Formats: sequence, structure tokens, C-alpha cells
Amino acid sequence: KAGVTQTPRYLIKTRGQQVTLSCSPISGHRSVSWYQQTPGQGLQFLFEYFSETQRNKGNFPGRFSGRQFSNSRSEMNVSTLELGDSALYLCASSLEGGEDLHTQYFGPGTRLTVL
Amino acid sequence: SQQGEEDPQALSIQEGENATMNCSYKTSINNLQWYRQNSGRGLVHLILIRSNEREKHSGRLRVTLDTSKKSSSLLITASRAADTASYFCATGSKLTFGKGITLSVRP
Repeated sequence: KAGVTQTPRYLIKTRGQQVTLSCSPISGHRSVSWYQQTPGQGLQFLFEYFSETQRNKGNFPGRFSGRQFSNSRSEMNVSTLELGDSALYLCASSLEGGEDLHTQYFGPGTRLTVL
Repeated sequence: SQQGEEDPQALSIQEGENATMNCSYKTSINNLQWYRQNSGRGLVHLILIRSNEREKHSGRLRVTLDTSKKSSSLLITASRAADTASYFCATGSKLTFGKGITLSVRP
């Protein structure tokens, strides 16, 4: 099976702009999670989608949003970009989601730089 | 929320030596996972240990879990230069990660 793919791999934006990142999970996986990784804060959970519904949400402002489509592909959107949003954004998929912890399969990430 | 915290933060060893990394967490868990991340890339799942398991092996990896102490350890035996990476433990439905351990294996 093909792994988790993320597009684009690299992105440069300026403050105030918005950005949309895309993630295609492994075929058959219904849960998609997003993470932000920065040197200062480490890996932080953004949100998880399962069957097109947001199941879990981390502690990020409303500027960060996401959605999941019927084919399990997911997008996340960041509006009004700030310099601090510069990070590696990782997407992960798993067979199931919700309360229990399941093995996550990560994509290569999207490196976002905000100037 | 559940959180994994690894220690040490950084570890440097010689090729062939064993590397031991520790993880502590705060609340009860159903299972705990270890992941590896090579520089600037996505994470790779290494091993999952369930709360009713005490030890698990996978190749050169050995993971232990002590639920009474809320801690886990990851042992990499006979380390190789290719093991150089950051290692994370993770718990919880939101897959909360610690800050990670940077392992450097010197050839």
C-alpha cells in the first residue's frame, strides 16, 4: 500500500496570508490526525478526524481548522498566518481513532515558512 | 491530558553500544508507543506496548512498561550509526508526545 502523502512538501507564505495543506491517508484508514512540530514546542496535536467528523482537538486557536472528505483525505487550513506558525506540519493516519491509541502512520510533513 | 516525557534529552554513544531511553507519563493508559524521527522527516512507528504487557521485543528493540511507576524504557541493542535519530514516546487518544530524545551513534 502507498504510504501517507502530504502536499505540498514545502511552502513559503507571508504574514496575514492563509494556507491549505493536504493529506492523503493510507488506503482503508479512516482516522487522520494533524500535528505541528517546532523546535521550541516539540510535537503538538492539532486535531483528529474520523469518518468526516472532528473527534479530538488540541489547544490551538480557531485560525487552525481542518476537514475530512468522504474518501478520508484531509485538509488543514491556517488563516491569518503569523511568524510563529512556521513549523513542520505532520499528518498521520490510522485504521481507527477515538479513545484508544492506535498505531499512527505519518507522512513526510509539510514545511511551512512564514515570512 | 496524558503526556510522555522522555529522558535523557540527548544521548551520544559509540556504535555497538546499547542505548537506553526512558519515558514517564502522568495518567493511566491503555497502551504506549515509541516512534523514531530522522531529521526533519515524518515519524516512524517502532513498537506499541499495551498496559497489560511488561516487556516487548522487536528486533534490536526492547520496550518495558511499568504501570505502577508510570514509566517505560526503550533499549536499542548493538546500536548502529543509522539509529541516529530522535525518539519519542506517545500516549493517549490525542497521541501526546514528549519532547523527544536525540540519539547520536558515533561510527
